[in-house]
Amino acid sequence: QVQLVESGGGVVLPGRSLRLSCAASGFAFSHYGMHWVRQAPGKGLEWVAVISLDGRNKYYTDYVRGRFTISRDNSKNTLYLQMNSLRTEDTAVYYCARVGVEGVPYFDYWGQGALVTVSS
Amino acid sequence: DIVMTQSPDSLAVSLGERATINCKSSQSLLYSSDNKNYLGWYQQKPGQPPKLLIYWASTRQSGVPARFSGGGSGTDFTLTISSLQAEDVAVYYCQQYYINPYTFGQGTKLEIK
Repeated sequence: QVQLVESGGGVVLPGRSLRLSCAASGFAFSHYGMHWVRQAPGKGLEWVAVISLDGRNKYYTDYVRGRFTISRDNSKNTLYLQMNSLRTEDTAVYYCARVGVEGVPYFDYWGQGALVTVSS
Repeated sequence: DIVMTQSPDSLAVSLGERATINCKSSQSLLYSSDNKNYLGWYQQKPGQPPKLLIYWASTRQSGVPARFSGGGSGTDFTLTISSLQAEDVAVYYCQQYYINPYTFGQGTKLEIK
């Protein structure tokens, strides 16, 4: 079955960097686009970024563009989110999620999430 | 950006009764070339990631019970649970995938009365 497992979360100082990973299994990873979605503590869901199946096309929310980079390694079935210049408002659980079938950008499977806390 | 507004913010319904959640988008989500509404519904139980219930506004994801149904078109949509079960207690989100940024509604918290 489809499994998505995030790792790399933790506590980090404002202005520092962190890289999240999402290990995928149970499906042909290279055939699907992938998203990152975040959820601040006690808040709603916010889409962060999406990457196409071949990694060529990437889109970001305005709030992270220029600071975060989404990437993937199809040989390792792994999705990444490099987060630089972190701010306290980036504190959230970060979920990776699969793009729906035929490339339609809803989120059909989600990981359990990785908590990122940005605090001094 | 497309703004998604859900109502109500919270809802308490008796077991076995119908629950209806509304979602309104700031612009139409109906794509003329394929006549599909680019709208999904998600369920998030406490301590769990969201789960896709409905896509294309009314298509149930595989494995989702038939008591969940989606309706509407254009800018106004509904999620209906025909007969509320205890395991349906959760926060429900609508989401548009018509154009990025892919935005969510603020969520509706569903509880048992």
